[in-house]
Amino acid sequence: AQKVTQAQTEISVVEKEDVTLDCVYETRDTTYYLFWYKQPPSGELVFLIRRNSFDEQNEISGRYSWNFQKSTSSFNFTITASQVVDSAVYFCALSGETSGSRLTFGEGTQLTVNP
Amino acid sequence: GAVVSQHPSRVICKSGTSVKIECRSLDFQATTMFWYRQFPKQSLMLMATSNEGSKATYEQGVEKDKFLINHASLTLSTLTVTSAHPEDSSFYICSAWSGDRISWEQYFGPGTRLTVT
Repeated sequence: AQKVTQAQTEISVVEKEDVTLDCVYETRDTTYYLFWYKQPPSGELVFLIRRNSFDEQNEISGRYSWNFQKSTSSFNFTITASQVVDSAVYFCALSGETSGSRLTFGEGTQLTVNP
Repeated sequence: GAVVSQHPSRVICKSGTSVKIECRSLDFQATTMFWYRQFPKQSLMLMATSNEGSKATYEQGVEKDKFLINHASLTLSTLTVTSAHPEDSSFYICSAWSGDRISWEQYFGPGTRLTVT
């Protein structure tokens, strides 16, 4: 069975602070994919990143960066110089070769960036 | 990126009535569509997986007779909540997968907020 754990239910920061959202996963698959989604108050999920299990390179996209470490089964997400518009719920998700395209979501982390 | 639409975006219905929600992939053919339900301040819970032309596969605990799913074409799946009750009030989200076994990426619709009074 697959499992995704986002231990941080809520995080509150002040604008311009850096913030890291944790994601720990469990899977028996050798080939799997990890995702991060943003869900603003409107409710529509916004795709942020996909990473496959064979690519452990960290990725940076503007103020966003991701740290994938297979050794600790973690796929953490850092926002640098946070902005009020970053306030949203962020979900980490996992799919694997045995689950095909079915996604397992973590519980989500509510990020609030205060001015 | 690929676009998935849902209709309606919001619906209010009376207890005991049925509501149909449509999910369309606008610029690609969706091999598989997924239906999720999200209660306030909770995560997305997969309800069912539907493949075009075949019966949907429901997750454990989801009532097949209550949540009817029809994936009639490669661009349209519908979810009908039959005999809706207030506890069915939720945010329903669909997603579509093109069958891409390289990216395995799903494209999500904007969601439908159902309120049963």
